[in-house]
Amino acid sequence: DAGITQSPRHKVTETGTPVTLRCHQTENHRYMYWYRQDPGHGLRLIHYSYGVKDTDKGEVSDGYSVSRSKTEDFLLTLESATSSQTSVYFCAISGTGIGGETQYFGPGTRLLVL
Amino acid sequence: AQSVTQLDSHVSVSEGTPVLLRCNYSSSYSPSLFWYVQHPNKGLQLLLKYTSAATLVKGINGFEAEFKKSETSFHLTKPSAHMSDAAEYFCVVSDRTAGANNLFFGTGTRLTVIP
Repeated sequence: DAGITQSPRHKVTETGTPVTLRCHQTENHRYMYWYRQDPGHGLRLIHYSYGVKDTDKGEVSDGYSVSRSKTEDFLLTLESATSSQTSVYFCAISGTGIGGETQYFGPGTRLLVL
Repeated sequence: AQSVTQLDSHVSVSEGTPVLLRCNYSSSYSPSLFWYVQHPNKGLQLLLKYTSAATLVKGINGFEAEFKKSETSFHLTKPSAHMSDAAEYFCVVSDRTAGANNLFFGTGTRLTVIP
């Protein structure tokens, strides 16, 4: 694994509560991404970051916000969790230059919203 | 716009027989293409990638894929399946238009290997 950790690895929460997922990298890569994985959909991009405090929306960003205050950390927040946000969440990183097109994935966080 | 179609949601092969996982892509640009593998309850691991160099790309664990621009295909093959190959495989195309390198995933092909 490319020096990426995600926490927590599993979480059960109730509808309406806030949830924050953390992605931490030790590779000093510029780009970080959050995806969700659902059956029949593959992985879909939620948000990404192209530097500290620089973020942008992906394909399925509604209901999610992100923050990146340090190069190594990228936080995903569900302000008010809903059952439709039950999913497996993956963080990914990529660098610049040669090989920068390749993304490396963390182990995932399994989130259940009751 | 970039997109990927994996033509089979499930492929079943016998151990020792060839594997073929099919992928067609759509891209407005010269694409980068990837195959990732996901074993049960695990993260995604890069198998191989095409980035406009050689059209036949060799990856890990004996897998390879051929980029065919005329057919807009990037099929994944392996001459002889092993039990450890049982997993879900994702074909992925990249979008280089954004500052980041955003990926677009196919819906996945689950490979079953029969002993």
